[in-house]
Amino acid sequence: AQSVTQLDSQVPVFEEAPVELRCNYSSSVSVYLFWYVQYPNQGLQLLLKYLSGSTLVKGINGFEAEFNKSQTSFHLRKPSVHISDTAEYFCAVRKGSSNTGKLIFGQGTTLQVKP
Amino acid sequence: EAQVTQNPRYLITVTGKKLTVTCSQNMNHEYMSWYRQDPGLGLRQIYYSMNVEVTDKGDVPEGYKVSRKEKRNFPLILESPSPNQTSLYFCASSLRPTSGGGNEQFFGPGTRLTVL
Repeated sequence: AQSVTQLDSQVPVFEEAPVELRCNYSSSVSVYLFWYVQYPNQGLQLLLKYLSGSTLVKGINGFEAEFNKSQTSFHLRKPSVHISDTAEYFCAVRKGSSNTGKLIFGQGTTLQVKP
Repeated sequence: EAQVTQNPRYLITVTGKKLTVTCSQNMNHEYMSWYRQDPGLGLRQIYYSMNVEVTDKGDVPEGYKVSRKEKRNFPLILESPSPNQTSLYFCASSLRPTSGGGNEQFFGPGTRLTVL
């Protein structure tokens, strides 16, 4: 069965510092990969997605992620974070051959940006 | 404004009292889904619907029912809620999933349910 592991449950970082949120997935087939952000008391919002093509994907709010097939990873990065980036971040996977639309989510990583 | 709405946003109820959480989308999406979010577990799919009158179980369907009589609405029904159904629930919708695309799922704001 597919699974998604977010390696850090919490990531504290100072404002303007770079950050990386790690995500690994297990799958022997092609997958689509997503990062969602959840701000306090809100629903999930898509940050970026990888479907095919270039392994470096750019998203909203200055975030980017790199798909690494050999390491089955899809780590999220931002070169300089802001207080407003404080939120919970979810990595998700969808099997490429699936017609059910089912997303498998990681456990979530709470990014805490400190002044 | 394109959106997914859920009602109520917060609900406290007692064991065994039937409840319905409504979900509605205005984007003419074929696909709709319910997830529950629990600490340390991320989001897990409860049920999904590929179109009107077409529904199927997700990973954690026990204790839940759904219906899809209209394209825009996908209510989640708890016939006899229990404390282990205390959770944060999200409805999502998207264009019809295909094997060739990764259509974005749009999420509602969430419903926080507490069953005493």
